[in-house]
Amino acid sequence: DAGVIQSPRHEVTEMGQEVTLRCKPISGHNSLFWYRQTMMRGLELLIYFNNNVPIDDSGMPEDRFSAKMPNASFSTLKIQPSEPRDSAVYFCASSSEGMRTGELFFGEGSRLTVL
Amino acid sequence: EDKVVQSPLSLVVHEGDTVTLNCSYEVTNFRSLLWYKQEKKAPTFLFMLTSSGIEKKSGRLSSILDKKELFSILNITATQTGDSAVYLCAVDSNYQLIWGAGTKLIIKP
Repeated sequence: DAGVIQSPRHEVTEMGQEVTLRCKPISGHNSLFWYRQTMMRGLELLIYFNNNVPIDDSGMPEDRFSAKMPNASFSTLKIQPSEPRDSAVYFCASSSEGMRTGELFFGEGSRLTVL
Repeated sequence: EDKVVQSPLSLVVHEGDTVTLNCSYEVTNFRSLLWYKQEKKAPTFLFMLTSSGIEKKSGRLSSILDKKELFSILNITATQTGDSAVYLCAVDSNYQLIWGAGTKLIIKP
């Protein structure tokens, strides 16, 4: 099992540019989560999908953020336009339990730096 | 407002020492408490606790939950440098995970 795969691992961009982060969950997992982690705020849930359907996007900071899950094996998180305060590590996680909680399997994260 | 507080925020000990990490919570509808270990990259699952007083154990790590006093502890005995990490506590309240800020543990050789 390859685990949750995220790309890119590192992204440095300039303010105003569009950023797209990608995630491939573990095969067979029907729940997918996007988290953001910063020193100041810790781990924050951005959005949660179950069976490819967004269930809770209340953590998405604002309209600049959007997420999609076109099929069970792929999801994207897009920031447009990016701002310096978006700099963080973005984690994707998946779960087989069909719920928001329980054991989550995290990817290695995408470290985003917006200059 | 639901909250999870971990203490200490950071801890430095020597290899071989025993450490106890704390996680206290105030949530509206407790379902479970989870511990994760985060080394340089992704958090990895350690334990899930749902019942008071029942110890979960994995090697040198163990954890217990007190639902009356609203806290959990994570114990690590005979620490090794590989135990150096951030230990995260999360509480499931109404099917939402509330995360603590973590305890950064450094084990000196």
